[in-house]
Amino acid sequence: DAKTTQPTSMDCAEGRAANLPCNHSTISGNEYVYWYRQIHSQGPQYIIHGLKNNETNEMASLIITEDRKSSTLILPHATLRDTAVYYCIVRPPGVAGGTSYGKLTFGQGTILTVHP
Amino acid sequence: GAVVSQHPSWVICKSGTSVKIECRSLDFQATTMFWYRQFPKQSLMLMATSNEGSKATYEQGVEKDKFLINHASLTLSTLTVTSAHPEDSSFYICSARKTSGSYNEQFFGPGTRLTVL
Repeated sequence: DAKTTQPTSMDCAEGRAANLPCNHSTISGNEYVYWYRQIHSQGPQYIIHGLKNNETNEMASLIITEDRKSSTLILPHATLRDTAVYYCIVRPPGVAGGTSYGKLTFGQGTILTVHP
Repeated sequence: GAVVSQHPSWVICKSGTSVKIECRSLDFQATTMFWYRQFPKQSLMLMATSNEGSKATYEQGVEKDKFLINHASLTLSTLTVTSAHPEDSSFYICSARKTSGSYNEQFFGPGTRLTVL
């Protein structure tokens, strides 16, 4: 599985944009980049995913570099409730029914602290 | 939506007893569910992949006889921690895969905190 590298922690002021980087230099051409977050003592929450193009949804934007070796998750207007651990995950394509199909491998993630 | 529930949300048990944790997909069918374990200040570690109607696939280092997984229906998977010991105390999280055509996403439950005394 392609590994990801994220900063251990980041701070952001409430109302400002939070930009969380992720390096995945060994990503394969058909692997997706997924972002999840985990608020303390809860299960992970899906945020967004992408393959090549930039993506945007109601929660965040995902910017993937042209060479796909890195990406940035953008929370446009961070709130205190966005304080969480953010995980960048590269998902192997696998084959339906294969042992690696759909598996998500979590790294250490980035602890984002949004402060007033 | 895609909602996954877990029961119980927390459990305290005595050493040597067995504990069963349920994972349910409430509004979709899941042929595949995943079980994770998370120790304090650590990341999630995949324990096993649970497939409806067949045996679970365990990750390296996870004892299949200690962590029994049963995926009895398309909406329910159970994890039984047998003969639990204090070192099994952890946060157990399940996820369920929702598949529709080429769409394939995982949705996570809220987790179950197990404390073994």
